[in-house]
Amino acid sequence: NAGVMQNPRHLVRRRGQEARLRCSPVKGHSHVYWYRQLPEEGLKFMVYLQKENIIDESGMPKERFSAEFPKEGPSILRIQQVVRGDSAAYFCASSPRTDGTGELFFGEGSRLTVL
Amino acid sequence: DQQVKQNSPSLSVQEGRISILNCDYTNSMFDYFLWYKKYPAEGPTFLISISSIKDKNEDGRFTVFLNKSAKHLSLHIVPSQPGDSAVYFCAASGTSYDKVIFGPGTSLSVIP
Repeated sequence: NAGVMQNPRHLVRRRGQEARLRCSPVKGHSHVYWYRQLPEEGLKFMVYLQKENIIDESGMPKERFSAEFPKEGPSILRIQQVVRGDSAAYFCASSPRTDGTGELFFGEGSRLTVL
Repeated sequence: DQQVKQNSPSLSVQEGRISILNCDYTNSMFDYFLWYKKYPAEGPTFLISISSIKDKNEDGRFTVFLNKSAKHLSLHIVPSQPGDSAVYFCAASGTSYDKVIFGPGTSLSVIP
C-alpha cells in the first residue's frame, strides 16, 4: 500500500497525558498537511510542513500542539497535556507538488479519545 | 469565519436519479474548487475539481458547475448509485501551496 499511512488509528489518553500521531506520506511526496475533524464538523486545517520546515501553522492552537517533519522518518503531530476538547479525528495528507490545485492524498486518520 | 459553506447537512436521493450538492464560498481569491468524498472511518478522497477560470468540469457521472458571480458551486451526480452514499466535502484552495479549506460536508444517502 503506497498511500498515506497514519498510526495509531485509535488512541486513548487521559487528561494531562501526551498524544503523538505519526504520518508517513505517499512515497516521493515531500509536502505534508495535518487536518482535524471535530465531531459533527468539517476538516480544519492545522499545519503545512515540508521536510524539516514548518511553512504554515496558522491553524495550530498556540499552546500544547506542535508538528514536525524531519529529514528522515514520519511527520509527527504532538499534543501535550491533552484535554477532552482535543478528542477528534486527525487526518494527515500529502502532495507531490505545490501548485495550489488542492489535490491532496489523505490517510485514514487517527482518532484520539481523551478520557 | 466560515469561508466555504454547505447549508444542507444531508440529502436523500433515489437510485438512478440526480444528486445535486451545493456549496457557497465567500473568498473571491480562491483559485480552485474541489469536491472530496468520505466514507465512515476512512480519509477523504479527491473526487473532482474546477479552476476558477472555468464554469464546468465533467468526469463521468460527476459534473461540477461554478458560478463565480454568485460565489456558488454545485456537484451533480447522475445517475446516483448506492455506492455514492458518503459525506461530500466542498473545498477551495487559493494559495501557492495546497492549503485546502473545507466546508462542513453534506451526507448523501442514495436509496436503492
